Amino acid sequence: SQTIHQWPATLVQPVGSPLSLECTVEGTSNPNLYWYRQAAGRGLQLLFYSVGIGQISSEVPQNLSASRPQDRQFILSSKKLLLSDSGFYLCAWSWRRRDEQYFGPGTRLTVT
Amino acid sequence: SQQGEEDPQALSIQEGENATMNCSYKTSINNLQWYRQNSGRGLVHLILIRSNEREKHSGRLRVTLDTSKKSSSLLITASRAADTASYFCATDPTGANNLFFGTGTRLTVIP
Repeated sequence: SQTIHQWPATLVQPVGSPLSLECTVEGTSNPNLYWYRQAAGRGLQLLFYSVGIGQISSEVPQNLSASRPQDRQFILSSKKLLLSDSGFYLCAWSWRRRDEQYFGPGTRLTVT
Repeated sequence: SQQGEEDPQALSIQEGENATMNCSYKTSINNLQWYRQNSGRGLVHLILIRSNEREKHSGRLRVTLDTSKKSSSLLITASRAADTASYFCATDPTGANNLFFGTGTRLTVIP
């Protein structure tokens, strides 16, 4: 069976500090991978998606970047965090772009 | 906007009652999906209904889709306290490459 991991679960970082969130998927190969951000009480905003190693598409201009160094690893990064980067970050995967998505447990990021 | 909009934003019912949530959207779609999110957790996929389908069932869940009205509903029958969660619809618009999630309905089931 497939599992998706995200870490850390919670993170408190000062403004201007770097960020690295990691997501890994087990039990499948060549998944489509996604990073979402969810503001408190809001829906999900798609930040990045990837259909393969090194292939990253950005949905919104922002202070964040993503990388996919290995088939089942997806990393969300920032060089300098802003207060507005606070939120709940979710990683997800799917077999194909229109299929159901399977989400990780999320990372709660608070930028102070 | 390509995302769905859920209605109501919040719903509180007694255990054993049925809960109905609605999702409206504005563009043509390939499919529509419903997800559940417990507080502070990731989303869990519930049902996918394709544009040529009108109704699907999964256990106590029933989803309908009316493409002429551009709306979908999620019915949870005989609700339980464990059904307390937020429920999101996600649309797969024709011509788009990704899903678009609504802002969700917060369901509270009172024991």
